[in-house]
Amino acid sequence: DAGVTQSPTHLIKTRGQQVTLRCSPKSGHDTVSWYQQALGQGPQFIFQYYEEEERQRGNFPDRFSGHQFPNYSSELNVNALLLGDSALYLCASSFYSGTGGKNTGELFFGEGSRLTVL
Amino acid sequence: GNSVTQMEGPVTLSEEAFLTINCTYTATGYPSLFWYVQYPGEGLQLLLKATKADDKGSNKGFEATYRKETTSFHLEKGSVQVSDSAVYFCRSGGSYIPTFGRGTSLIVHP
Repeated sequence: DAGVTQSPTHLIKTRGQQVTLRCSPKSGHDTVSWYQQALGQGPQFIFQYYEEEERQRGNFPDRFSGHQFPNYSSELNVNALLLGDSALYLCASSFYSGTGGKNTGELFFGEGSRLTVL
Repeated sequence: GNSVTQMEGPVTLSEEAFLTINCTYTATGYPSLFWYVQYPGEGLQLLLKATKADDKGSNKGFEATYRKETTSFHLEKGSVQVSDSAVYFCRSGGSYIPTFGRGTSLIVHP
């Protein structure tokens, strides 16, 4: 049973460029959320996707966008990259708890995509 | 808003010492609480969880009790091993957005 898989594992971009990160959820999961983890910090919630729609969003600008596909996989897109976007981007999957969208459930994380912006 | 506060690290211990990592939270209502562990170069792994007040989560010798009165969920282990060296994150389920603490690095020496 494959867990959460993310690609690419590492990438380097320059300021102003755009990046797309990909995530495949754990088998049986239908919800994907994305997190930004800066060095020495905890993960910061970016957004959550369920039924191909963005359901919840953290305090991130519109440069951060996403998509969920019918097979539940997801993409995170970041436009107009800034130096401060350098971080580990984590994807987590879960099964929708059905409790009004509350994130009370267990999250399964991938190993992350390490983005460096020069 | 919701927040999670963890004790500053790094926590440095000798093998077989007792471990406590403090975690307190602020949230609306009574969220589920979690501890995750992150080894170098890896994603976060769920260590244990508790879904209601007075619940005790436990796994691999680690324990944490959901204390509603003190809004705390401190992580403990009676005898740490070198292999426990990692970063530990406390998480609140929160109302809608999962909230993580900043993480506490644990270093265990032989």
